[in-house]
Amino acid sequence: GNSVTQMEGPVTLSEEAFLTINCTYTATGYPSLFWYVQYPGEGLQLLLKATKADDKGSNKGFEATYRKETTSFHLEKGSVQVSDSAVYFCALSGDSSASKIIFGSGTRLSIRP
Amino acid sequence: ETGVTQTPRHLVMGMTNKKSLKCEQHLGHNAMYWYKQSAKKPLELMFVYNFKEQTENNSVPSRFSPECPNSSHLFLHLHTLQPEDSALYLCASSPTGEAGNTIYFGEGSWLTVV
Repeated sequence: GNSVTQMEGPVTLSEEAFLTINCTYTATGYPSLFWYVQYPGEGLQLLLKATKADDKGSNKGFEATYRKETTSFHLEKGSVQVSDSAVYFCALSGDSSASKIIFGSGTRLSIRP
Repeated sequence: ETGVTQTPRHLVMGMTNKKSLKCEQHLGHNAMYWYKQSAKKPLELMFVYNFKEQTENNSVPSRFSPECPNSSHLFLHLHTLQPEDSALYLCASSPTGEAGNTIYFGEGSWLTVV
């Protein structure tokens, strides 16, 4: 079946550091891939998405490229800020229904001033 | 500001109480969802409604009862809950229940069962 594996947290970085959060997936067919972010005390917000191979999703300085050959969708940001502290979820939507969206376990990111 | 609004944001209830969580979406979507988020557990899909019809019940105990009177509103009725039901309950919507649709979440309702 479909699955998503993302790197264990917590991840702690200094402000302006480079960020990578790894995400790999297993899926049949051609899934859509998402990154969601959850700030403290809030629900999940869509951060970016990609719907086909080689697509790059980007938002708020974050980027992720849909790599079918490595089944990966790693999240990157060149220079993180304290306000980026949150939990990040990688997710996959298979080719049957949106309700079959599968979330990774989440990676908590803390940025030190 | 989210297009999916949940009330109340916080709820404390006893094990014999009956309460309801409410969700309203202003996005013109036709699919709505309830998720449960517990500490140190993956996000759990509970129920899915597509065009007001329940299309998925993920083996949820009957003490949770969903209701979807129209495509914009979704309720979760709570009755004789257990302390382990304490969690963040997230409502979400998407244009339809088809694959590839982006799911948009509300800010959640924090439930504590005492």
